Amino acid sequence: AQTVTQSQPEMSVQEAETVTLSCTYDTSESDYYLFWYKQPPSRQMILVIRQEAYKQQNATENRFSVNFQKAAKSFSLKISDSQLGDAAMYFCAYRSENYGGSQGNLIFGKGTKLSVKP
Amino acid sequence: EAGVTQFPSHSVIEKGQTVTLRCDPISGHDNLYWYRRVMGKEIKFLLHFVKESKQDESGMPNNRFLAERTGGTYSTLKVQPAELEDSGVYFCASSRWQGDNSPLHFGNGTRLTVT
Repeated sequence: AQTVTQSQPEMSVQEAETVTLSCTYDTSESDYYLFWYKQPPSRQMILVIRQEAYKQQNATENRFSVNFQKAAKSFSLKISDSQLGDAAMYFCAYRSENYGGSQGNLIFGKGTKLSVKP
Repeated sequence: EAGVTQFPSHSVIEKGQTVTLRCDPISGHDNLYWYRRVMGKEIKFLLHFVKESKQDESGMPNNRFLAERTGGTYSTLKVQPAELEDSGVYFCASSRWQGDNSPLHFGNGTRLTVT
């Protein structure tokens, strides 16, 4: 079975600085998707970024980028120029390509709570 | 468009009581999912509806949990009787299709506390 591990329960970053959140996963599959979700205090989970395993290029969304190392099964999230609004729980998630294409059956890590200091 | 809506936002019940959680997906979204996060642990998949049919209920913990989606619109998740270990945040999510180009939209969750 696939597992997702986030080894940093809490992280802190100074406003305008850069922070990297770690995520590792375990799978025997070659095709899959990886996601980072953000859950601010308002509780609504929002998709931050997603990566297809077959793509070598790291995904980027504005200030958010990933470092996807398929061989190492590592999928870290880098937040540049951190803003106060980035404070949230961040969840790394995995989805098998074999689940009929459905986005719903995600396997999540335990989450990393990010604090942003002004 | 309105987002995924969950009711109530917070519920406190005693062990042995019954609680029903509701999820209203985004209009037109055939796919509806339930997830649960127990304190300090991972968010776990519970089940997946496609319209009114259960596509996958492999994550349902036991027969004290019953999910329904009559008419393929809103869904309810009933816990009867509730146990202490059922405490956690229950998330609902929906998507229009099952394909990769159909993003998953989450609700704000229902925080269930069983005392």
